[in-house]
Amino acid sequence: DTAVSQTPKYLVTQMGNDKSIKCEQNLGHDTMYWYKQDSKKFLKIMFSYNNKELIINETVPNRFSPKSPDKAHLNLHINSLELGDSAVYFCASSQERTGGGETQYFGPGTRLLVL
Amino acid sequence: AQSVTQPDIHITVSEGASLELRCNYSYGATPYLFWYVQSPGQGLQLLLKYFSGDTLVQGIKGFEAEFKRSQSSFNLRKPSVHWSDAAEYFCAVGARTNAGKSTFGDGTTLTVKP
Repeated sequence: DTAVSQTPKYLVTQMGNDKSIKCEQNLGHDTMYWYKQDSKKFLKIMFSYNNKELIINETVPNRFSPKSPDKAHLNLHINSLELGDSAVYFCASSQERTGGGETQYFGPGTRLLVL
Repeated sequence: AQSVTQPDIHITVSEGASLELRCNYSYGATPYLFWYVQSPGQGLQLLLKYFSGDTLVQGIKGFEAEFKRSQSSFNLRKPSVHWSDAAEYFCAVGARTNAGKSTFGDGTTLTVKP
């Protein structure tokens, strides 16, 4: 009965590789997000999708490409991984887009380490 | 654009003592305000939120927060801290005109001494 799930939980890879992180929510929410949390615990939004439509795209390298096959899934693909990409990536979802007022439900995070 | 500041990077309190975590925001109008908690190795969980109305908001786990417009603050309080409250706490502000975007503070790490 997990609400927001992410796979994998841990990801260790070499520089230059391409990897994907998957996110699924079973809450029936319309909006999903990707956040990056760095080693200092700073949490920054990367992307947001509403009903498969991209609505927030912060200043993120174009090596990062989100893909939403349906409104219950938002995957994050990362090309040519760099050392600085090492972080914890959180997926989240909320009921609908209402101008920043929705409670967000977070997944457990994917810990990415680039060697 | 909205922003949020959590002035205290790290706070240590004794178990049973009271707690106040500070949060200051910047926004041109009344924002949406949130407090989230992140336990070690976990995702974030909502503690409480303010939309409108009563400026004193009650949340889960015995937490409350008070919205003070004059001070642009939304401080989190708990009268008696438990060891299980040790975690990272994030204040967040959501703009009422920005589609689905919340801006998070840099977090406050709470350590609870026995």
